[in-house]
Amino acid sequence: EVQLVESGGGLVKPGGSLRLSCATSGFTFNTYTVNWVRQAPGKGLEWVSSISSGSSYIYYADSVQGRFTISRDNAKNSLYLQMDSLRAEDTAVYYCARVGSTSNADYFDYWGQGTLVTVSS
Amino acid sequence: QLVLTQSPSASASLGASVKLTCTLSSGHSSYAIAWHQQQPEKGPRYLMKVNSDGSHSKGDGIPDRFSGSRSGAERYLTISSLQSEDEADYYCQTWDTGRVVFGGGTKLTVL
Repeated sequence: EVQLVESGGGLVKPGGSLRLSCATSGFTFNTYTVNWVRQAPGKGLEWVSSISSGSSYIYYADSVQGRFTISRDNAKNSLYLQMDSLRAEDTAVYYCARVGSTSNADYFDYWGQGTLVTVSS
Repeated sequence: QLVLTQSPSASASLGASVKLTCTLSSGHSSYAIAWHQQQPEKGPRYLMKVNSDGSHSKGDGIPDRFSGSRSGAERYLTISSLQSEDEADYYCQTWDTGRVVFGGGTKLTVL
């Protein structure tokens, strides 16, 4: 069974940092591109970042470029998101999601349950 | 600019059918999209991919009541024999090199 489990969310002050993790199981992690997607309270889904299977291709949404860093550890079957210079508008539930093929860009076929990040003083 | 447009809301009666629409922006009518369902207080769940030729491939365990189709730049999700658990938000998603785009979502109410 494919599973993605996020952790690391919490309350942080504006300007602070937080590191999210996504532990995966049930599939060969090192052959799939994975992504972070967020959802602000009461809002829709917003793509945040993508990292290819071997970390060669990394992309960010304009809203987080220069502040967030995506990474992965294929030995640990885990995905990470380092979030720096956090702003109130970064408050959201953060989901990790797997791309449903071995392509670098395609549909998302499995999602985690999310972890809440709240940026507030 | 790659944009997906969805109606904010839809409603239909228990046992009836409903067709949700996702429209690709001009110049992108050949793109495939995916549909995702998000029930209240839950994470999204992949339903299906709808290709540019109208063929679709569903996720694990998705009932036959859910189907996909297309017409031009429009991509559709049809849900038949509506059940109470189908009341949810539905998002379409597309992608290109270096970016992923979601539609604004449609909130489906089952009456």
